[in-house]
Amino acid sequence: SQQGEEDPQALSIQEGENATMNCSYKTSINNLQWYRQNSGRGLVHLILIRSNEREKHSGRLRVTLDTSKKSSSLLITASRAADTASYFCATAAWYSGGGADGLTFGKGTHLIIQP
Amino acid sequence: DARVTQTPRHKVTEMGQEVTMRCQPILGHNTVFWYRQTMMQGLELLAYFRNRAPLDDSGMPKDRFSAEMPDATLATLKIQPSEPRDSAVYFCASGPDSTDTQYFGPGTRLTVL
Repeated sequence: SQQGEEDPQALSIQEGENATMNCSYKTSINNLQWYRQNSGRGLVHLILIRSNEREKHSGRLRVTLDTSKKSSSLLITASRAADTASYFCATAAWYSGGGADGLTFGKGTHLIIQP
Repeated sequence: DARVTQTPRHKVTEMGQEVTMRCQPILGHNTVFWYRQTMMQGLELLAYFRNRAPLDDSGMPKDRFSAEMPDATLATLKIQPSEPRDSAVYFCASGPDSTDTQYFGPGTRLTVL
């Protein structure tokens, strides 16, 4: 079942601008992760934010998490042509019985950086 | 740099044939996942293993798909018989735990004619 839903589905911006992608989810989570996928490749992990964290940074990436709104955002600052890729959020939830449920991925935001 | 490897990278086969995809997870990771990616459905979890035991294969069509981990260094996904609707990219991923970072292989692009 789809847990995370990214918005927008596609985004095209000029190199140097900032790119913001959003993710909404439905149930309580343990953590939320963002991944990047370049065309024809496997997914690459970018950043993990735990449910008790509100913001996290990694280089040009900034992730926020609002558990009250069940949403997260990924900000890429000073975008580069090499940032062109699809970006997925993935949520780690829990079975009602207490065990971990693995990750559930959204359908992704396709980001195009125009040179 | 430890990586997840998958073979074959590309497979073209005819409907009704058996297809076997292989994955070598990162040494020391105790969870292994199989995903299928299509334009229409996105990334779907097919099966996952912890310490080689299958924990969840509810996303897998049971009548034709099977997933196994004969040892800690090998995971397999078989489709028998294959159908055109199975055409997709199949990814294997491994991780230290089921809620932790997952490391993806390069995928097997399967085309069933």
